[in-house]
Amino acid sequence: QVQLVQSAAEVKKPGASMKVTCKTSGYTFSGHYIQWVRQAPGKGLEWMGWISPNSGVTHYVEKFQGRVTMTTDTSIRTAYMELSSLTTDDTAVYYCARQNHYESSGYFDFWGQGTLITVSS
Amino acid sequence: DIQMTQSPSSLSASVGDRVTITCRATPTVYKYLNWYQHKPGQAPRLLIYATFNLQSGVPSRFSGSKSGTDYILTISSLQPEDFATYYCQQSYSAWTFGQGTRLEI
Repeated sequence: QVQLVQSAAEVKKPGASMKVTCKTSGYTFSGHYIQWVRQAPGKGLEWMGWISPNSGVTHYVEKFQGRVTMTTDTSIRTAYMELSSLTTDDTAVYYCARQNHYESSGYFDFWGQGTLITVSS
Repeated sequence: DIQMTQSPSSLSASVGDRVTITCRATPTVYKYLNWYQHKPGQAPRLLIYATFNLQSGVPSRFSGSKSGTDYILTISSLQPEDFATYYCQQSYSAWTFGQGTRLEI
């Protein structure tokens, strides 16, 4: 069965960086983009960007460009999302999700359990 | 950029009720509209993709439709486990979520 398992919650200081791990199993890793979404406390879902494990091509939401780096290690079927220069506004639950294909688009059909990142001095 | 307007932002209902949630996209996203259910402490769950298509394993009381520029999620008979927050998502040009509809008792 398809599974995405994320790393544990962390507390970070303002100005630091964080890196979330998303370990996948149960499907062909290189065949599906990995998407990243976050939810700040009391807020809605916010899309951050995607990475193609097959090619390494990424697309980041403009808001995060310059601060976010998405990577994958196909040998261990794992995706990573690193966010730098953290502020308290980055306190959120971060999710990875598998994108499935539909015609020229798609949808997020399997999700990780979420990783809470708390930014606090 | 595509703007997603979801309504209502919150909704009170009872078990057995028929409920509809609406999402409007500007400009159009054609059929590229998905719906998710999200409960506190859990991962979001895909319900409907490409406007009409029920995701595998999702109960048939959930359905998606389109009327003009409005995309509609319908729950035909609310069950206790359906109380959650619902999000629409456009996938026509990159990805954008609606602001969410909190469905409560």
